[in-house]
Amino acid sequence: KAGVTQTPRYLIKTRGQQVTLSCSPISGHRSVSWYQQTPGQGLQFLFEYFSETQRNKGNFPGRFSGRQFSNSRSEMNVSTLELGDSALYLCASSLPGVSTDTQYFGPGTRLTVL
Amino acid sequence: DQQVKQNSPSLSVQEGRISILNCDYTNSMFDYFLWYKKYPAEGPTFLISISSIKDKNEDGRFTVFLNKSAKHLSLHIVPSQPGDSAVYFCAASARSGANSKLTFGKGITLSVRP
Repeated sequence: KAGVTQTPRYLIKTRGQQVTLSCSPISGHRSVSWYQQTPGQGLQFLFEYFSETQRNKGNFPGRFSGRQFSNSRSEMNVSTLELGDSALYLCASSLPGVSTDTQYFGPGTRLTVL
Repeated sequence: DQQVKQNSPSLSVQEGRISILNCDYTNSMFDYFLWYKKYPAEGPTFLISISSIKDKNEDGRFTVFLNKSAKHLSLHIVPSQPGDSAVYFCAASARSGANSKLTFGKGITLSVRP
């Protein structure tokens, strides 16, 4: 079974621009979560989507948004980029449910904001 | 407020010996705990998990111990191998909320010396 895929793997943007990252979950997985990894803060939860609805949200500004499509693929958008948004953005998928919420991660998208 | 803490940023052990990675948490709502391993430029890989109804879970060379009263868990790797050298993240979730949000520690860098 193919793993979680993320595109693009690397991205360079300038301040003020916006960016869209894409995530395709493992086949059959319906929950997709997004995380930001930075050297100082570790992995921080951005949001989770399940059945095209945002089910949970972390403490990030409204510039960070996402959506999920009917095939469970998800996109994350960051508008008005700031230097501090430079990070590794990780997507994880899981089978929803109390006993099956182990999350499986993709390789990440490395975003650099200049 | 950091709810999952990995207080030691690094650990170095000799090949063949035991590696013990520690993790503490503060949120008593957490009832499911996971360990992930991460190589540079890759996403975290799921290693092993434990539910709060257990105090031990074993999978091959990896064993996770949970002490609920102390809000402490540890990952034991026996015997340690050079390929185990990576960053290890402890994560926790509160499954009673029926969501998949994971709260991560900041990670421990394990180096296994040949």
